[in-house]
Amino acid sequence: DTAVSQTPKYLVTQMGNDKSIKCEQNLGHDTMYWYKQDSKKFLKIMFSYNNKELIINETVPNRFSPKSPDKAHLNLHINSLELGDSAVYFCASSLPSGNTDTQYFGPGTRLTVL
Amino acid sequence: AQSVAQPEDQVNVAEGNPLTVKCTYSVSGNPYLFWYVQYPNRGLQFLLKYITGDNLVKGSYGFEAEFNKSQTSFHLKKPSALVSDSALYFCAVRPLTSGTYKYIFGTGTRLKVLA
Repeated sequence: DTAVSQTPKYLVTQMGNDKSIKCEQNLGHDTMYWYKQDSKKFLKIMFSYNNKELIINETVPNRFSPKSPDKAHLNLHINSLELGDSAVYFCASSLPSGNTDTQYFGPGTRLTVL
Repeated sequence: AQSVAQPEDQVNVAEGNPLTVKCTYSVSGNPYLFWYVQYPNRGLQFLLKYITGDNLVKGSYGFEAEFNKSQTSFHLKKPSALVSDSALYFCAVRPLTSGTYKYIFGTGTRLKVLA
């Protein structure tokens, strides 16, 4: 029973391509996130959706477009991939009301742009 | 600007010894405070959190953290380290004034427990 799942786990692609990463959570959470972890392991929030509505967009290039078809899914589409996009991308979810304000992370998607 | 600092890139400790991983924050108001652990090639896992109440919070795998409001710190501790505790540890803060569900993560501290 995977709480937060991401596909694919690894993604290797050429510069200029367009790719998508999918995320699904079966925890019944209202809020989902995308984070980028670079080669130095710095973790930075990119987007957050609450009930399918975008609530955080952290100065991410508009080549990155999140899409939330429903509360359980938050996909990340990246256009015109660049070398600097190589990183591990983590999806997370939370139920930020009351004391259950804990984030649950997916296993990550390692994106390598050649 | 709001920030979270983990001043040590790496902490080395001998197995059986107590460990401390430091975290300080600069956030207005009374934020929620978290510790997460990341094992190699895995996502982050929740360890513990401070919302309100007792300053000493107990979490998973024998870890605890002490909230100090005057020093704006939330250091992670364990009385006796295990080799299996070796991992990357992240402190995170959720400011409550922003009105959005934004978490700020520290830069991570690599803990190495030596046998």
